[in-house]
Amino acid sequence: KQEVTQIPAALSVPEGENLVLNCSFTDSAIYNLQWFRQDPGKGLTSLLLIQSSQREQTSGRLNASLDKSSGRSTLYIAASQPGDSATYLCAVDNNRDDKIIFGKGTRLHILP
Amino acid sequence: DAGVTQSPTHLIKTRGQQVTLRCSPISGHKSVSWYQQVLGQGPQFIFQYYEKEERGRGNFPDRFSARQFPNYSSELNVNALLLGDSALYLCASTDRVTGANVLTFGAGSRLTVL
Repeated sequence: KQEVTQIPAALSVPEGENLVLNCSFTDSAIYNLQWFRQDPGKGLTSLLLIQSSQREQTSGRLNASLDKSSGRSTLYIAASQPGDSATYLCAVDNNRDDKIIFGKGTRLHILP
Repeated sequence: DAGVTQSPTHLIKTRGQQVTLRCSPISGHKSVSWYQQVLGQGPQFIFQYYEKEERGRGNFPDRFSARQFPNYSSELNVNALLLGDSALYLCASTDRVTGANVLTFGAGSRLTVL
């Protein structure tokens, strides 16, 4: 049974700092891994998707890496801004279907 | 092009009542899935429908049911509501054609059961 864990549960950093969010999963036979952003009371916005054959994906100030063998992914945010404050969720797709398994998320607060 | 739309956005029900939530996928997307997100937790998979057939079901009781219509929109029904059903219900769609399987989520329907 796939389990996804995100550490830390919450994080506060001053504006301008670079930061790393961590995601681990127990079953390495994944099809892809996605990182989502969720603002309070809102739906999910897909940030980055990494296919199982890829090692990383980049979009602007965001970089996500994937190490299947160790069951880990990281989301790197460069030069953080107050607008980056949100909950970041990691989700794993094992079967190329729409049943993806989410972690509980990391609540990020960027201090102005 | 409109994204995934869900209605209603907020609703309040009492225990024992029934609720129907609606979802319209992105135009051209034939797969719709439903997730429940309880406060402070990640979303949990409830159902997936593709081409109007149920293709997956999560670990939820039979009080939860869904269907997909010929236009690929979908409804989620929950009967005999319990306090624990209070959550944000998210709908996602994907085209399942490109192979990337990027799910696009709607803004959700927030259900409060009193």
